Amino acid sequence: AQSVAQPEDQVNVAEGNPLTVKCTYSVSGNPYLFWYVQYPNRGLQFLLKYITGDNLVKGSYGFEAEFNKSQTSFHLKKPSALVSDSALYFCAVRPLDSSASKIIFGSGTRLSIRP
Amino acid sequence: DAGVIQSPRHEVTEMGQEVTLRCKPISGHDYLFWYRQTMMRGLELLIYFNNNVPIDDSGMPEDRFSAKMPNASFSTLKIQPSEPRDSAVYFCASTKQGTTRDNTEAFFGQGTRLTVV
Repeated sequence: AQSVAQPEDQVNVAEGNPLTVKCTYSVSGNPYLFWYVQYPNRGLQFLLKYITGDNLVKGSYGFEAEFNKSQTSFHLKKPSALVSDSALYFCAVRPLDSSASKIIFGSGTRLSIRP
Repeated sequence: DAGVIQSPRHEVTEMGQEVTLRCKPISGHDYLFWYRQTMMRGLELLIYFNNNVPIDDSGMPEDRFSAKMPNASFSTLKIQPSEPRDSAVYFCASTKQGTTRDNTEAFFGQGTRLTVV
């Protein structure tokens, strides 16, 4: 079955420290990979994506993510966290098989940055 | 483009009543998704359409839920009759086929917060 796992419900980081939000996936073939952020009472906002090419992709607000094919992971990272980064983060995959093109989301990780 | 537009933003209804949620996707997008978000179950894919045709409705919880897409610019999600356990935030999202680097991610509406009392 196709799935996305975000093993941490919550990640707590001090402002200025690096942060990592983990994501692993299980799909056939080479899927597209995404990260989204959700602020309170808002819809999901696209952060970044991996399609092909360089395993390190850069996105909005200083975030980046590293694709690791052998570990089927796509962890979200930021070198220096800001309090304003506190939000709910979702990893997502879009399988590229011929039968479907749906987007599957993980369960979300709440990121809390303390001043 | 104004993005994905959902209405209403909030809906409070009594158990047993019919509820209709509406979505206008981004012009030119040929995929439309309906998701439901709750604290307990996270973000669930209910149904998605490609070129106005339902492709996968396996996420629709039961027969009380139905969705339509009569044309490329409009979709509805209907719950009849509604129950308290249907209370959630319902999101609509749209995207393109994804055959190029620039057309792969989904864009979400602001959601409809449904409360069934």
